[in-house]
This record gives sequence, structure tokens and C-alpha cells, in this order.
Amino acid sequence: KAGVTQTPRYLIKTRGQQVTLSCSPISGHRSVSWYQQTPGQGLQFLFEYFSETQRNKGNFPGRFSGRQFSNSRSEMNVSTLELGDSALYLCASSLEGHRNTGELFFGEGSRLTVL
Amino acid sequence: AQKITQTQPGMFVQEKEAVTLDCTYDTSDPSYGLFWYKQPSSGEMIFLIYQGSYDQQNATEGRYSLNFQKARKSANLVISASQLGDSAMYFCAMRGLTGANNLFFGTGTRLTVIP
Repeated sequence: KAGVTQTPRYLIKTRGQQVTLSCSPISGHRSVSWYQQTPGQGLQFLFEYFSETQRNKGNFPGRFSGRQFSNSRSEMNVSTLELGDSALYLCASSLEGHRNTGELFFGEGSRLTVL
Repeated sequence: AQKITQTQPGMFVQEKEAVTLDCTYDTSDPSYGLFWYKQPSSGEMIFLIYQGSYDQQNATEGRYSLNFQKARKSANLVISASQLGDSAMYFCAMRGLTGANNLFFGTGTRLTVIP
């Protein structure tokens, strides 16, 4: 069974540009959530999508957005990139997003560097 | 508000010995879940073990066990028979009622296994 797949794995952008990251969840998983990991702030929740609807959102500016497609694949977009957006962006998927189950699996992440 | 505290930035353990990684949490949710993840240098977050707040018994998964003390709000991870491949960052995380897949992470503990 394939795991969570994130693309691209590495990318370099310059300030002011925008970036789109992709996440393919485990087959059959309907919930996809995104996290940002930085040395200074640690792991922070960005947002979660379930059945193409944003169900939950963390405390990030509107430059961070996402969407989910009918096949559960998800994309996140960051516009007008800032140096502080340099981070590892992790995607996680789960079967139904039931709050009391332990099945939440992460991908290897997309490492974004903003110059 | 939910908070996870990991007070050990780094830990060393001799190969084949057991090690305990500490995690305390704070939440006002009556129902919550506690997770431990391993993050090797590759970046992927590897799910290790899950404990639900209403689970009567401590969770175990192979060499991993979770020492759950609800009254003390602690959820320590015990790794038995440490292996060199266990060297990695370990994160404790919590999921509460407010968000199905909104995990709050601790700052992590870097475990180094010494041959």
C-alpha cells in the first residue's frame, strides 16, 4: 500500500513568488492536513481538508491556502513568498478524520527554501 | 488551549538498553488522543503509537509502549532494546475535540543511540 506522497520534495523560490505543493494521500483516505515545520516555530498546523471542504484552519495569514480534489489529492499554495516561509511542509492523511482514532500518516515533506 | 511539553532536548542511550522520552500535556478537552512520531533526518514523520484518553490500557506497538498517566497528564514513550536505527527526533503530539486532525506538537527530543 503506497504511503502519502508529496511533490516536489525540494524547491527553491525567491521572495515575492508563489509556490504550489501537492499531496496524494493513502488510497482510501479522505482527510488531508498540512503542517509547517521550522527550526524556530516547530511543527504548526496549517489546515485540514475533508471531502473537498476545508474543515479546520490554523493561525496562518491568507497567503497560505489550499484545496482538495474529488480524488482526495490536495494542494497548498503560498503566495507572495517571504523569507520566513522557508520550511518543511508536511502533509498527513487519515481514513475519515475521526477525532478519536490514531490513524494519521505523514509524507516525507516538501522542503521549501525562499531566497 | 492545548499544550504539549517535551523537556528533554536530547537523550543518549546505549544500544540494547531501554529509554524513556518524557511528554506532558495540558488540555481542557474531556476526550483527546496522544501520539508519538519519529522523524529521521529524511524528514518523514513516522507514526509510532497512539493512546486515546479513554483507553483503559497503555498502548504498545512492538518495542514501543506509552506510559499513560492521565492524572499527571503525562504520556511518556518507552523504547525497549534500543537500536542504532532509533536515532532520530521524537515528537509527542495531541489531538483534541476542537479539530479532527489538528495536532499540537511538542518541541521534540533528539535521541542518539550509542553503539
